[in-house]
Amino acid sequence: DSGVTQTPKHLITATGQRVTLRCSPRSGDLSVYWYQQSLDQGLQFLIQYYNGEERAKGNILERFSAQQFPDLHSELNLSSLELGDSALYFCASTGQGAPGYTFGSGTRLTVV
Amino acid sequence: QQQVKQSPQSLIVQKGGISIINCAYENTAFDYFPWYQQFPGKGPALLIAIRPDVSEKKEGRFTISFNKSAKQFSLHIMDSQPGDSATYFCAVGYTGRRALTFGSGTRLQVQP
Repeated sequence: DSGVTQTPKHLITATGQRVTLRCSPRSGDLSVYWYQQSLDQGLQFLIQYYNGEERAKGNILERFSAQQFPDLHSELNLSSLELGDSALYFCASTGQGAPGYTFGSGTRLTVV
Repeated sequence: QQQVKQSPQSLIVQKGGISIINCAYENTAFDYFPWYQQFPGKGPALLIAIRPDVSEKKEGRFTISFNKSAKQFSLHIMDSQPGDSATYFCAVGYTGRRALTFGSGTRLQVQP
């Protein structure tokens, strides 16, 4: 157990639907990062939050959004889902001044 | 612009052999170079990392070699074992709370 918890582990949904992925960072970590991993794209950075505030954006689609709550857990919202959104979604957290990530086990999203 | 290029895409090594994975980067401002190991169904886990002020770092059977002038770094796995069979990702980033950029990954298979 890495200390980073992601739920659900698996999600199957239809095109056009909306889903929410949840991430609880390791205790004490203030930064949360979301990544998308698909077969042909590797690990693509989506968005970063630090202590409740958005810190950086990567290749995140306008249909996707995220937030980090006062208890530091984060949610990634994916809407108007398309077949191409099927992927593994990972979150990772880091502590103060420590650049190394701790990843969760991911959520496997399948859009049918 | 691809910030980090990783090669090879896949690698087959015999047990006891040396596995070598290479990464090249563009931005000389990067100051943090980690390698992650990912097993099927799991999130990536930090394996070893180096900063640009040293040319080599060794942890057990894993060694990072860093060539600042060539903007390249590599992972060497000595005495490779079947349990090392996994996907390996290099990454580049900055000290502090900024997002990492990952290479495309190398699938390593160590044959018994």
